[in-house]
Amino acid sequence: AQSVTQLGSHVSVSEGALVLLRCNYSSSVPPYLFWYVQYPNQGLQLLLKYTSAATLVKGINGFEAEFKKSETSFHLTKPSAHMSDAAEYFCAVSEILGNQFYFGTGTSLTVIP
Amino acid sequence: EPEVTQTPSHQVTQMGQEVILRCVPISNHLYFYWYRQILGQKVEFLVSFYNNEISEKSEIFDDQFSVERPDGSNFTLKIRSTKLEDSAMYFCASSGAGDSPLHFGNGTRLTVT
Repeated sequence: AQSVTQLGSHVSVSEGALVLLRCNYSSSVPPYLFWYVQYPNQGLQLLLKYTSAATLVKGINGFEAEFKKSETSFHLTKPSAHMSDAAEYFCAVSEILGNQFYFGTGTSLTVIP
Repeated sequence: EPEVTQTPSHQVTQMGQEVILRCVPISNHLYFYWYRQILGQKVEFLVSFYNNEISEKSEIFDDQFSVERPDGSNFTLKIRSTKLEDSAMYFCASSGAGDSPLHFGNGTRLTVT
């Protein structure tokens, strides 16, 4: 069975500070992992994806995530937060492409000026 | 860049009425999905559709729900007799072959009164 756990439903950081959003997954087979961002009143936009290539994945808007099999983690980071990064972030896992994605409960990121 | 489009953006209906939510997936995509997000909650999988049939569905997707791809471009979700608890944001998504991620539309906010 697949599942995703996002620790911390709300994260606040100061502008310019490091952003770290945590995601742990469970999967019986090597997973495909994704981070999506949702701005208010908008749909889900893909930030980045891991599909068994490089373990450090770079995405849009300066975000990156590292797949760590030993820790079953796929944490999202950004070195320096910007006000425009304030949004809801969702981690998702899929075992078989073309089948459903399982989403975490989301982490709301607030950036403090 | 091609995108998934959903109409309408907001639908208000009375309990017991039928609603049809419409989606135009990205034209060369093969897999189609509906997800929903009740206000303040996680994104939940409803159904996936491939090769003109349902490939997977969740327990949420009961007999009141149906999907159709009537003309090779549109992908619709029908709720036969809406309930108050069907009020949510409904997202359509599509993906291509291989390691293609899901591309989401901006959603339809369904309000059942």
